[in-house]
Amino acid sequence: QVQLVESGGGVIQPGKSLRLSCAASGFSFSRYGMHWVRQAPGKGLEWLAAIWYDGSNEYYATSVKGRFTISRDNPKNTLFLQMNSLRLEDTAVYYCVREGDDSKLDRWGQGSLVTVSP
Amino acid sequence: DIVVTQSPDSLAVSLGERATINCKSSQSVLYSSNNKNYLGWYQQKPGQPPKLLIYWASIRESGVPDRFSGSGSGTDFTLTINSLQAEDVAVYYCQQYYSTPWTFGQGTNLEIK
Repeated sequence: QVQLVESGGGVIQPGKSLRLSCAASGFSFSRYGMHWVRQAPGKGLEWLAAIWYDGSNEYYATSVKGRFTISRDNPKNTLFLQMNSLRLEDTAVYYCVREGDDSKLDRWGQGSLVTVSP
Repeated sequence: DIVVTQSPDSLAVSLGERATINCKSSQSVLYSSNNKNYLGWYQQKPGQPPKLLIYWASIRESGVPDRFSGSGSGTDFTLTINSLQAEDVAVYYCQQYYSTPWTFGQGTNLEIK
């Protein structure tokens, strides 16, 4: 079955960097676009970034453009989110999401909590 | 950016009754070349990741009960839950994928009356 498992979250100081990973299994990872979506505590969903199946194109939300970078390693079935210059408002659960056929966000990981705190 | 606005923010419905959630986008998400609305609906229960319910505005994802239905076109959409069950208590989000950045509505909290 499809599995997406995020890792790399934790407590980090403002201004520091952190890299999240998402290990994919149960499907042909290299055939699918992938996304990151986050959710601040008690708040709604915020789409952050997307990457094409082959890594040739990337897209970002305005709020993270220039600070966050999405990337992937297809031979290792892994998605990444490099987060630089972290701010207090980046505190959230970060979800790794598969873009299935028909452009739908059809599989979600359980999420990884990132807490930005002095 | 396309702004997606849901109404109401919260909703209380009796068991067995119908729940209706509205979603409005700031510009049309209907792609004329294929006549598809790039709009999805998600359900999120406490402590869980979101789950896809509806895509292309009206297509039910595999395994989703048929009491869930989506409708609308262009800028105005509706998620209808018929015969509300206790397990339907959740926050519901609509999301446009017509153009980047993809954007979500603010969510609608559905409770049992």
